[in-house]
Amino acid sequence: EVRLVQSGAEVKKSGESLRISCEASGYSVSNYWIAWVRQTPEKGLEYMGILYPGDSEARYSPSFQGQVTISVDKSTTTAYLQWISLKASDSAMYYCARSAWSGYYLIPLFDNWGQGTRVTVSS
Amino acid sequence: NFMLTQPHSMSESPGKTVTISCTRSSGNIASNYVQWYQQRPGSGPSTVIYEDDQRPSGVPDRFSGSIDSSSNSASLTISGLKTEDEADYFCQSYDSNNHIVFGGGTKVTVL
Repeated sequence: EVRLVQSGAEVKKSGESLRISCEASGYSVSNYWIAWVRQTPEKGLEYMGILYPGDSEARYSPSFQGQVTISVDKSTTTAYLQWISLKASDSAMYYCARSAWSGYYLIPLFDNWGQGTRVTVSS
Repeated sequence: NFMLTQPHSMSESPGKTVTISCTRSSGNIASNYVQWYQQRPGSGPSTVIYEDDQRPSGVPDRFSGSIDSSSNSASLTISGLKTEDEADYFCQSYDSNNHIVFGGGTKVTVL
């Protein structure tokens, strides 16, 4: 069974750093892209970026380039989403999602999602 | 970059049919697959239709997807509505540069 299990809710202050995680299991993690998606009531679902665990290549949406870092620890099959300096506007629910197609050639459709990590940033 | 536009909300009675549209602002809807996700309150999204019109195992055949090139839109149809279908539904597609876009979501209420 494919499982994406995300880390728990976080409450932070503006300016603090944060790393949230997404532990993947039940499939060959190296062969499937993993994306991060932000959800807010105002903007709905927004694609942030995607990473190929096989070679750790990360690609970012222009809206999030330079704002976050996506990485992976292949030894623990865990993907990460990291902020250096949080802003109140980063308050949202964050999801990781697995691409539906295996292999390096990316067809960005997603078949399995994590349960979400809520991030609250106070100013 | 393109956008995907969905109606904000729809409501219908149990047993009836609801069809949610997802209109692509630029580029051909048929050029890239469309996926549909269901999100119940407090849960993450789950796929109800993949690759335009394919239904994952475990999804009832009351759910169907289609593409209409004349209106440059995709549609998700839920027939024989049940109270358990009450949820938010999002379409998603991409372009040749792998620019990934989600629709704004449609809240379906089963009266």
